Amino acid sequence: DAGVIQSPRHEVTEMGQEVTLRCKPISGHDYLFWYRQTMMRGLELLIYFNNNVPIDDSGMPEDRFSAKMPNASFSTLKIQPSEPRDSAVYFCASSRSPHSTGELFFGEGSRLTVL
Amino acid sequence: SQELEQSPQSLIVQEGKNLTINCTSSKTLYGLYWYKQKYGEGLIFLMMLQKGGEEKSHEKITAKLDEKKQQSSLHITASQPSHAGIYLCGAVNSGNTPLVFGKGTRLSVIA
Repeated sequence: DAGVIQSPRHEVTEMGQEVTLRCKPISGHDYLFWYRQTMMRGLELLIYFNNNVPIDDSGMPEDRFSAKMPNASFSTLKIQPSEPRDSAVYFCASSRSPHSTGELFFGEGSRLTVL
Repeated sequence: SQELEQSPQSLIVQEGKNLTINCTSSKTLYGLYWYKQKYGEGLIFLMMLQKGGEEKSHEKITAKLDEKKQQSSLHITASQPSHAGIYLCGAVNSGNTPLVFGKGTRLSVIA
């Protein structure tokens, strides 16, 4: 299996621009998670989906952030408009259950820099 | 909400030395997970602990969950440069809640 695939790996944009991050989970995994990692706050859960339905989005910072999962093999995290404080590494992860055997499979991350 | 405190925040050890990383929870743990992250990469699962007093090993890495299920330790024996990275503990406090993570411990191993 190819693993969780994220794109882009790196994104540099200017404040106010729209940013879209993409994720392809592992086939057969029912759960998809979006995390954000910064030095100050560590790894924070933003939102997670079960069978394409958002279950908990309480970690989404504000209305500028939105996430969708139109089908089992694709999810997007959108930031509009972007701000410098959004600069972070955004990780997508998938699993067969919220914790199953304990293994979340992570993508390589998308490093976002907002100037 | 679940809060996880990791200590130390960073650690520099000489190759061949042993080390321990701790993870303390503000709540009783349903499950405790250890992940490793190499710089600039995603997280790799190491092991999961669920029972109080449980201990698991993977190569030279051993993790233990205390009896009260509120603290875990990760011990590396005879550290090597390949052990360098960020170690994160993650936890769930019920059967269907997603993982929340500590801020991680940055480990450097010098020759």
